[in-house]
Amino acid sequence: DAKTTQPNSMESNEEEPVHLPCNHSTISGTDYIHWYRQLPSQGPEYVIHGLTSNVNNRMASLAIAEDRKSSTLILHRATLRDAAVYYCIRTGANNLFFGTGTRLTVIP
Amino acid sequence: KAGVTQTPRYLIKTRGQQVTLSCSPISGHRSVSWYQQTPGQGLQFLFEYFSETQRNKGNFPGRFSGRQFSNSRSEMNVSTLELGDSALYLCASSQNSGAAARYEKLFFGSGTQLSVL
Repeated sequence: DAKTTQPNSMESNEEEPVHLPCNHSTISGTDYIHWYRQLPSQGPEYVIHGLTSNVNNRMASLAIAEDRKSSTLILHRATLRDAAVYYCIRTGANNLFFGTGTRLTVIP
Repeated sequence: KAGVTQTPRYLIKTRGQQVTLSCSPISGHRSVSWYQQTPGQGLQFLFEYFSETQRNKGNFPGRFSGRQFSNSRSEMNVSTLELGDSALYLCASSQNSGAAARYEKLFFGSGTQLSVL
């Protein structure tokens, strides 16, 4: 989806926090924001999702802007296993729109 | 529970042929959705089936079709293959469809890599 934009790539040192941004400027009031990640030769794997409030789970945190036009996925301590392509997705009732994905490289 | 299973893993076809891909969802999941992934266009939604009915469709030509069986297994068919159809085709399953599915997790298979020569 051209209207869900992410940086192409980011790097992080191992054990440091990572903030992955996503802009979804045309999001509607009822669209959820999901994040998935994809490892090589695998299908995407669920990370986290939210609507308006910030969300935390064992994998990550999701910070959603007050106007909901952007969100940030936060990995608190990057590990080598977190190296993947991360996708931000808008989910509506009848469709879902993928962002272009951010390739995260974790440096040991 | 077994995960989402897609077969075959790899497929090579020639232009003009047709192809059928299969997806077995997680037990108890009634929704199966299909996606195309290419380096140029990224991930795009193809269509979704729920209880044997197509509920939603993305912006793809009619050459792309699908169906769902009573056991929730789904097949995707592409007719008159073109070079541009070369892609990784992913399917995902979830329990619900429509508005309730907006906040559900999707469980993806590993995909079928289709090469059109």
